[in-house]
Amino acid sequence: AQSVTQPDIHITVSEGASLELRCNYSYGATPYLFWYVQSPGQGLQLLLKYFSGDTLVQGIKGFEAEFKRSQSSFNLRKPSVHWSDAAEYFCAVDEYGGATNKLIFGTGTLLAVQP
Amino acid sequence: ETGVTQSPTHLIKTRGQQVTLRCSSQSGHNTVSWYQQALGQGPQFIFQYYREEENGRGNFPPRFSGLQFPNYSSELNVNALELDDSALYLCASKRTSGNTDTQYFGPGTRLTVL
Repeated sequence: AQSVTQPDIHITVSEGASLELRCNYSYGATPYLFWYVQSPGQGLQLLLKYFSGDTLVQGIKGFEAEFKRSQSSFNLRKPSVHWSDAAEYFCAVDEYGGATNKLIFGTGTLLAVQP
Repeated sequence: ETGVTQSPTHLIKTRGQQVTLRCSSQSGHNTVSWYQQALGQGPQFIFQYYREEENGRGNFPPRFSGLQFPNYSSELNVNALELDDSALYLCASKRTSGNTDTQYFGPGTRLTVL
């Protein structure tokens, strides 16, 4: 079965510090990968996505992610974190079967930002 | 803002009751999916509707059902509510044009079952 693992449940970084959130996936075919962010009590906002091509993808709010097929990873990075980045981050893989796009999510990483 | 709206925002029901949640898709989107997000978990796929028909379902019992209307809005119905149905229910819409479509999520409906 397809799966997504986010090893870090909770991460705390200082404002201005760099950030890397880990994501590993298990998927037989070429994966379509996503990172979403969720603020408390809110829905999911798309940060970035990877379908094919350049393995380093740029997203909104200064985020980027790198697809590494050999490591089955799609880690999210930001060079300098802002206090407004505090939220929960979800990695997802699109399990496409027939006409159905089914997103499989990891359990999320909760990011806290210290002043 | 994704253009996907959901109503109501919050809902409290008691065990055994029935509930209907509503979703209005982003303009131009013809496919809608529903997800359940329990506290502290990632969203779980319930089902997907395309052209008013269910075309994919996750591991949820038949008491979870849905509808999609000609204007692409959608409903999620849950019968015989159980305590474990308490969760944030998310609707996502997309325009199906291939297998690389991006889903855009609404703000969700928080359902509490007492």
